[in-house]
Amino acid sequence: GNSVTQMEGPVTLSEEAFLTINCTYTATGYPSLFWYVQYPGEGLQLLLKATKADDKGSNKGFEATYRKETTSFHLEKGSVQVSDSAVYFCALSVFGNEKLTFGTGTRLTIIP
Amino acid sequence: DTAVSQTPKYLVTQMGNDKSIKCEQNLGHDTMYWYKQDSKKFLKIMFSYNNKELIINETVPNRFSPKSPDKAHLNLHINSLELGDSAVYFCASSRRTENTEAFFGQGTRLTVV
Repeated sequence: GNSVTQMEGPVTLSEEAFLTINCTYTATGYPSLFWYVQYPGEGLQLLLKATKADDKGSNKGFEATYRKETTSFHLEKGSVQVSDSAVYFCALSVFGNEKLTFGTGTRLTIIP
Repeated sequence: DTAVSQTPKYLVTQMGNDKSIKCEQNLGHDTMYWYKQDSKKFLKIMFSYNNKELIINETVPNRFSPKSPDKAHLNLHINSLELGDSAVYFCASSRRTENTEAFFGQGTRLTVV
């Protein structure tokens, strides 16, 4: 079956620090990979995505590269801000199996 | 315009009651979903409908019954509510013909007392 393993949280960083949240996956077929973000009290928003190997998704200074050889999709940001504090979810979907499989989520807190 | 909207946002009810959560999307998507998020933030698919047809039903008690009157709506009815049903329920939609992302509603926080 499909699964996503995500870095355990919580993660606390100082403002302007470098962020990495690790994500690895197992999937049958060729998955699309996603990072979703959930701000306090809100629903999930798509942060970025990649649909094939070596694609890089990017948005709001965040990046993740689809690495088929290591089955990974690590989220990175060079300089985090307090407003980045949220829960981040790595997820995958496989065409023909219409659902998202989520990782457990990583709570990120940025302190000024 | 809200893309995926669900009501109510908060729902507090007593054990044994029956309640419904409504969801509507105005994105023209053909697939809609219900996800459950537990207290540890873990998200799991419950149901998926494509063009009003049930395509995913993940080991959910039959007290939960989804209904899709048309492609733009997917409601969730829950009978005989139990304490363990307390969670945040998210509706989402996507386009099945492409492997695109799902768009989520704001969630309904259900508390059973």
